[in-house]
Amino acid sequence: GAGVSQSPSNKVTEKGKDVELRCDPISGHTALYWYRQSLGQGLEFLIYFQGNSAPDKSGLPSDRFSAERTGGSVSTLTIQRTQQEDSAVYLCASSLEGWGAYNEQFFGPGTRLTVL
Amino acid sequence: AQSVTQPDIHITVSEGASLELRCNYSYGATPYLFWYVQSPGQGLQLLLKYFSGDTLVQGIKGFEAEFKRSQSSFNLRKPSVHWSDAAEYFCAVGMYNNNDMRFGAGTRLTVKP
Repeated sequence: GAGVSQSPSNKVTEKGKDVELRCDPISGHTALYWYRQSLGQGLEFLIYFQGNSAPDKSGLPSDRFSAERTGGSVSTLTIQRTQQEDSAVYLCASSLEGWGAYNEQFFGPGTRLTVL
Repeated sequence: AQSVTQPDIHITVSEGASLELRCNYSYGATPYLFWYVQSPGQGLQLLLKYFSGDTLVQGIKGFEAEFKRSQSSFNLRKPSVHWSDAAEYFCAVGMYNNNDMRFGAGTRLTVKP
């Protein structure tokens, strides 16, 4: 079956521009996560959506980062006024239910963002 | 907050040799522990997980890991490495009542012919 998909796979942008990254979770998965993977830094939790509940935004590094999830399915991560330190691979994951630490997360291939 | 340390940034082993990747965590209660593998250009794939019970956990691709509470460790092992095991390996820790899974910085495995 289809896994988690992300688009674009690569994005190069200029400093100060806004970018949108898209995630299509596995159909039927109610939980969706965004992570940032920087070189040598491991994965950094950004935000978590579970069903219709308010998202857990505790990992967002600044107010330039926001995310939404429409219709409980597709999610968009938006970075406004990008900075060079935003360059990273942005990973999306979904799981069947909430309490993500208990339910296996399935990861997408990521979007590599480069801010020049 | 929980944290994860993977002391080895890069490990090289010969094909057929045994492998052990180290993972240490910091958390006050019994955590949920995971190992993921990320092959080049691929998403992360779950190898195995520990929630409770038997401290020796079997995973996919011939991997196993042992939870040692006294050492706050969850090391990943494989008795005989295959060239296809070359990848980045991430240890992660989660908590029951928190969605914030913490990942280690990863260990890159190179397999020599």
